[in-house]
Amino acid sequence: KQEVTQIPAALSVPEGENLVLNCSFTDSAIYNLQWFRQDPGKGLTSLLLIQSSQREQTSGRLNASLDKSSGRSTLYIAASQPGDSATYLCAVTGGNYQLIWGAGTKLIIKP
Amino acid sequence: DTGVSQDPRHKITKRGQNVTFRCDPISEHNRLYWYRQTLGQGPEFLTYFQNEAQLEKSRLLSDRFSAERPKGSFSTLEIQRTEQGDSAMYLCASSSRRGQETEAFFGQGTRLTVV
Repeated sequence: KQEVTQIPAALSVPEGENLVLNCSFTDSAIYNLQWFRQDPGKGLTSLLLIQSSQREQTSGRLNASLDKSSGRSTLYIAASQPGDSATYLCAVTGGNYQLIWGAGTKLIIKP
Repeated sequence: DTGVSQDPRHKITKRGQNVTFRCDPISEHNRLYWYRQTLGQGPEFLTYFQNEAQLEKSRLLSDRFSAERPKGSFSTLEIQRTEQGDSAMYLCASSSRRGQETEAFFGQGTRLTVV
């Protein structure tokens, strides 16, 4: 059974710092891995999608990496801003096309 | 097309009442998913449609829950005889398969509060 873990559960850093969020999964048989952002009480916004054959994806200040063999992904946020404050969730798509989720990392960027 | 839309955004209901939520996926997407999310947790899978066929249901989807996608377009999720434990955010997502791509796009969710 696929399990997805995100560490840390919460993170608070000063504005301007670079930071890394971690995601690990137990079964490497995945189609892809997605990183999402969720603001309080809101739905999910897809940030980056990494296909199983890819190693990384970049969008603006965000860079996500995937090491399928070790079951790990990282989300790197450069030059963090207060507007980046949100919960970040990773999810893997398995053979049945379901998304299996981590519990998220709550990120607070202090001005 | 503005993406996945869900209606209503918020619903407050008394315990024991029935509620129905609607999801309109991105028009060319053939896959539609329902998830449930409680505070501080990641979403949990409920059910999945490919076109009009319901291909998978989670054990979380008790007999009080039913989902339909009658014409392979919009979907409804009904909860009968609601209980306080049903209070959660109900999320709908859609995706299509292009080559190996299966990126899922989510609606804003329906927040259900059972009082």
